[in-house]
Amino acid sequence: NAGVTQTPKFQVLKTGQSMTLQCAQDMNHEYMSWYRQDPGMGLRLIHYSVGAGITDQGEVPNGYNVSRSTTEDFPLRLLSAAPSQTSVYFCASSYDTRANEQFFGPGTRLTVL
Amino acid sequence: RKEVEQDPGPFNVPEGATVAFNCTYSNSASQSFFWYRQDCRKEPKLLMSVYSSGNEDGRFTAQLNRASQYISLLIRDSKLSDSATYLCVVSFTGGGNKLTFGTGTQLKVEL
Repeated sequence: NAGVTQTPKFQVLKTGQSMTLQCAQDMNHEYMSWYRQDPGMGLRLIHYSVGAGITDQGEVPNGYNVSRSTTEDFPLRLLSAAPSQTSVYFCASSYDTRANEQFFGPGTRLTVL
Repeated sequence: RKEVEQDPGPFNVPEGATVAFNCTYSNSASQSFFWYRQDCRKEPKLLMSVYSSGNEDGRFTAQLNRASQYISLLIRDSKLSDSATYLCVVSFTGGGNKLTFGTGTQLKVEL
């Protein structure tokens, strides 16, 4: 099993550009989520999904969209990048919605100029 | 007030020392508690879950005090490889599997 994979590992964008961060898992997990990690802030939940076709907002959803067309994939879209979105983005998955272990991808380091 | 608070450290300890971290949480409805470990520039990984009765995994012991709303992690006989940031994480019933993270406590184990 590859676990949770994320692409790209690094990305530099200009203000106003859009892009999609990819996340995939091969563990047949129902629950997937996106977090951003900023210095002094801890990880903050952006969006999450409890299964294919179902998504919901987390703590900091503004400026981001998600979709969950398959169990395996959960892409995060930045609609119009802003410098405030410079961060490290982690995708995570877990077996179900009960509070149990979440497995994290390696992260995407995004810089918006 | 942050939902989950931790002393950011760093805690600099010699190899073989015992070190303890505490974490406080504000939501009294919190039901599940975890310690995650995050190495520099890497993803967080689950270290251990924290149970009401306390639990131990080798050199690591976790305790939960619901009345005072704090969680602790004790590391005995510290190794160089224990150097990392330790994240306190909570979730609450009805929150699905939405986790709330502390900002982490940095541990540096030195020779």
